[in-house]
Amino acid sequence: QKEVEQDPGPLSVPEGAIVSLNCTYSNSAFQYFMWYRQYSRKGPELLMYTYSSGNKEDGRFTAQVDKSSKYISLFIRDSQPSDSATYLCAMSAGTYGGSQGNLIFGKGTKLSVKP
Amino acid sequence: DGGITQSPKYLFRKEGQNVTLSCEQNLNHDAMYWYRQDPGQGLRLIYYSQIVNDFQKGDIAEGYSVSREKKESFPLTVTSAQKNPTAFYLCASSIRLAGGLTDTQYFGPGTRLTVL
Repeated sequence: QKEVEQDPGPLSVPEGAIVSLNCTYSNSAFQYFMWYRQYSRKGPELLMYTYSSGNKEDGRFTAQVDKSSKYISLFIRDSQPSDSATYLCAMSAGTYGGSQGNLIFGKGTKLSVKP
Repeated sequence: DGGITQSPKYLFRKEGQNVTLSCEQNLNHDAMYWYRQDPGQGLRLIYYSQIVNDFQKGDIAEGYSVSREKKESFPLTVTSAQKNPTAFYLCASSIRLAGGLTDTQYFGPGTRLTVL
């Protein structure tokens, strides 16, 4: 079983839809969770960061972490064509200075929002 | 403006040649990373450095080499020993999160390497 699993999609939705993106993981030591957005041929940019379980909201984006189920989600409300990109989840066990602090990435989900 | 720069944006190499990819950051970050991204493979860690003059191998270090002589710079050399070097290469740097211990990584724009 891979450490981080993410459905690659592609996922196509109409403009204005609510989008749900998900990752599952196997390492119970993970406690830092991030979502990155990557436009085609660009570097990933950090969207959301969450520590441990719970929700975090930033504008149209909400990140959820359920450590008991080893499952994280990113919700996008009122999706826009400009949200069309690949979304990467990433997580780590923490501990700056050791390899456990390195991020483990999902393979990314490609999202297309149609006008 | 603070940020991470990578050059060149596109790079073409003949088989058997070594090439060096540049990565520079002015964010005063201690740690720097190199990833390789292939379609359907996600990001795979090549090398990382948490401090000047020190670096560690990642998951796919074979055929690559790095140096970290300055805090701002972390060049990656793709050697002729790398069997399948055509890929999108991403450099990142990181800080400590407020109140936490782990790294939030910020990425450069990437270099697309093609072997002819």
